[in-house]
Amino acid sequence: KQEVTQIPAALSVPEGENLVLNCSFTDSAIYNLQWFRQDPGKGLTSLLLIQSSQREQTSGRLNASLDKSSGRSTLYIAASQPGDSATYLCAVRVYGNKLVFGAGTILRVKS
Amino acid sequence: SQTIHQWPATLVQPVGSPLSLECTVEGTSNPNLYWYRQAAGRGLQLLFYSVGIGQISSEVPQNLSASRPQDRQFILSSKKLLLSDSGFYLCAWSGGLAGGEQYFGPGTRLTVT
Repeated sequence: KQEVTQIPAALSVPEGENLVLNCSFTDSAIYNLQWFRQDPGKGLTSLLLIQSSQREQTSGRLNASLDKSSGRSTLYIAASQPGDSATYLCAVRVYGNKLVFGAGTILRVKS
Repeated sequence: SQTIHQWPATLVQPVGSPLSLECTVEGTSNPNLYWYRQAAGRGLQLLFYSVGIGQISSEVPQNLSASRPQDRQFILSSKKLLLSDSGFYLCAWSGGLAGGEQYFGPGTRLTVT
């Protein structure tokens, strides 16, 4: 059974810092890995999608990497801003078109 | 462009009452559709998914059911709500390919009293 773990559970940083969020999964048989952002009381916004054959994806200040063999992904946020404060969720897509989610990392960027 | 709608946005229902949550997708055809629940302090749990009209797969035994009466409509129902059904319900869609991205709706906050 696939399990996804995100570390840290919460993170508080001053504005301008570069930061890394970690995601690990137990079964390397995945189709892709997706990073989401969730603001309080809102739905999920897709940030980056990495296919199983890819190593990384970039969008603006965000960079996500994937090491499928070791079951790890990282989300790198450069020059963090208060508007980046949210919960960040990692999910892997497994057989049957299903997503298995981690519990998330709550990020607070202080101005 | 594709859009996903959910309603209602919030709902307060007494224990034992019925439930119907609706999700519709615009701008795409034959999507895969999903219902997730996010309970307080817990991660997202997949409840149901559908690859076509009338085709529903259930992930966990529970007090809920799902139906897909039209290609882009997905309904979550219950005949009698339990307190444990409280949570944030999210609908999502993806294209037919296994490598496709999933897109989420705005969610419905359900409180069972």
